Amino acid sequence: KQEVTQIPAALSVPEGENLVLNCSFTDSAIYNLQWFRQDPGKGLTSLLLIQSSQREQTSGRLNASLDKSSGRSTLYIAASQPGDSATYLCAVRNNNDMRFGAGTRLTVKP
Amino acid sequence: NAGVTQTPKFQVLKTGQSMTLQCAQDMNHEYMSWYRQDPGMGLRLIHYSVGAGITDQGEVPNGYNVSRSTTEDFPLRLLSAAPSQTSVYFCASSPQGDEQYFGPGTRLTVT
Repeated sequence: KQEVTQIPAALSVPEGENLVLNCSFTDSAIYNLQWFRQDPGKGLTSLLLIQSSQREQTSGRLNASLDKSSGRSTLYIAASQPGDSATYLCAVRNNNDMRFGAGTRLTVKP
Repeated sequence: NAGVTQTPKFQVLKTGQSMTLQCAQDMNHEYMSWYRQDPGMGLRLIHYSVGAGITDQGEVPNGYNVSRSTTEDFPLRLLSAAPSQTSVYFCASSPQGDEQYFGPGTRLTVT
């Protein structure tokens, strides 16, 4: 059974800092891994999708990496802004089953 | 292009009542799924469908039924609501099981 863990559960940083969010998973036979952003009381917004054959994906200030052999993914956010404050979720797909981590709640202080 | 829509946004049920949560997408996606999100936990997969007429169970299917008669719609049925089903429910769709797009969610309270 795939288990997904995100550390830390919460993170607070001053504006402008670069930061890394971590996601680990127990079964390396994944189809893909997806990072989402969730604002309070809202749905999920897709940030980056990494296929199992890829090592990283970039979008603007975001960079996500994938290391299947070690069961880890990281989401790097450059030059953080208060608008980046949200909960960040990673989700791992094995065949048609998708498992989510509990998320990292990020607060970026002005 | 409305994306993934869910109705209702909020619902309060009494124990034992039944209801259907509606989900629709206009992107012609084959894969659709239902999740529930509880405080402090990630989303958990309830049921999914890889195309019209095909459904399967996810991690927490008990107490829920689904059907997929069209590509666009994927309703979730609670046959006899229980307080343990109080949660936020999200529907998602994706093309061929790739990048998933989520609806805004339905907040359900069972008293």
